[in-house]
Amino acid sequence: NAGVTQTPKFQVLKTGQSMTLQCAQDMNHNSMYWYRQDPGMGLRLIYYSASEGTTDKGEVPNGYNVSRLNKREFSLRLESAAPSQTSVYFCASSDPGSILVYEQYFGPGTRLTVT
Amino acid sequence: AQTVTQSQPEMSVQEAETVTLSCTYDTSESDYYLFWYKQPPSRQMILVIRQEAYKQQNATENRFSVNFQKAAKSFSLKISDSQLGDAAMYFCAYRESNFGNEKLTFGTGTRLTIIP
Repeated sequence: NAGVTQTPKFQVLKTGQSMTLQCAQDMNHNSMYWYRQDPGMGLRLIYYSASEGTTDKGEVPNGYNVSRLNKREFSLRLESAAPSQTSVYFCASSDPGSILVYEQYFGPGTRLTVT
Repeated sequence: AQTVTQSQPEMSVQEAETVTLSCTYDTSESDYYLFWYKQPPSRQMILVIRQEAYKQQNATENRFSVNFQKAAKSFSLKISDSQLGDAAMYFCAYRESNFGNEKLTFGTGTRLTIIP
């Protein structure tokens, strides 16, 4: 099992450009999440999806959109990138129905720089 | 809203010694989960240990243990016999116990350095 995978690992954008961060999990989890990590701020939730077809805003959703394409995939889109969106982005998944009900599994992260 | 506070931005410990990382949280819930995650330079988030609020017994995983004080809303991590591989950022995290609400609220992290 690959667990949670994210693409790309690194990306540099110019202000105003758009891009989509891809996330996929092969653990048949229902719930998926997008976090951003900034220095001194810890991880903050951007959006999450409790099940296929549903999405909800987290703590810092402004400037982002998400799509839960199917049970495996959850993408994060920046329509018009801003320097304030320079960050490391993590995707995670969990399954409340599994024996390991407590744990979120994280992807390796995407380092995004907006110039 | 729940908040998680880690008041020690950086800590250091001699190899083989013991170190304790502090975490406090604020919630009005009576049932919830608390976690410590480790983030080494590779950036990968690794679950170290978890604690269910309804359990009075402190969780232990090999060299890692917690001191969970529910009334004080305190959740510290003790690392015994520190090893070079323990060097990392450590994040405390909180989660409500509601089914379908597994969102994590993280603290700002503590960078742990191991001195050989």
